[in-house]
Amino acid sequence: DAGVTQSPTHLIKTRGQQVTLRCSPKSGHDTVSWYQQALGQGPQFIFQYYEEEERQRGNFPDRFSGHQFPNYSSELNVNALLLGDSALYLCASSFGADYNEQFFGPGTRLTVL
Amino acid sequence: QKEVEQDPGPLSVPEGAIVSLNCTYSNSAFQYFMWYRQYSRKGPELLMYTYSSGNKEDGRFTAQVDKSSKYISLFIRDSQPSDSATYLCAMFMDTGRRALTFGSGTRLQVQP
Repeated sequence: DAGVTQSPTHLIKTRGQQVTLRCSPKSGHDTVSWYQQALGQGPQFIFQYYEEEERQRGNFPDRFSGHQFPNYSSELNVNALLLGDSALYLCASSFGADYNEQFFGPGTRLTVL
Repeated sequence: QKEVEQDPGPLSVPEGAIVSLNCTYSNSAFQYFMWYRQYSRKGPELLMYTYSSGNKEDGRFTAQVDKSSKYISLFIRDSQPSDSATYLCAMFMDTGRRALTFGSGTRLQVQP
C-alpha cells in the first residue's frame, strides 16, 4: 500500500518565479492538507482540500493556491516566489472532512535563490 | 505567544534511558493530541494519537494528556539510537479549524 507521495523531491527556483508541487494521497484517503515547514520549526498549515474544494486556509497570502483533482491528488502553486518561501512543503492525507489522523508525505524541499 | 509551546532541545540521553518530551498549549478547544517523529529531511511519521485526557501506551511509547493543565507528554522507554529524531507534538480541534497545530519540535539524540 503506497503511502503519501510527493514530487519533486527537491526544487531550486529564483525570486519572482512560480512553482507547482504535487501530491498523491494514501490509498483510501480523500482529503489533502498542505503544510510549510521552515528549518527548525514545526509545520504551518497552508490549506486543505476536500471534494475538490478548498475547505480551510491558514495564514498564507493569495500567492499560495491549490487544486484537487477527481482522483484526490493535489497541487500546490506558489507565485512570485520570495526568499522566505524556502522551506519543506509537506502534504498530508486523511479520510473524510472531519477525520484528523493525518499521514504525511516525504515533502518537497524548495530553495528560492 | 504561540498556541503550542515545545522545548526545542537538543535533548541528549544515553541508550536505554527513559525519555520525557513535553508540550504545553493555550487553546482549550484542542481535543485531539498527536505525536509525530521526524527524521532529518523526511516527512513527519505519526507515532501516537490520543483523544481528550488520559494515557495511551504502544510498545515503548506512552502518551499522556492532562487537559486541566493543558500539558501533554510522550515517554520513550529503553531508548535506542534509532529513536534519534525530532519529535513534534500536534493538536486538533473538534470543530472549526481543520488543521493540525504543531509545536516547534524537540530534537532528541540517543547516544550508544
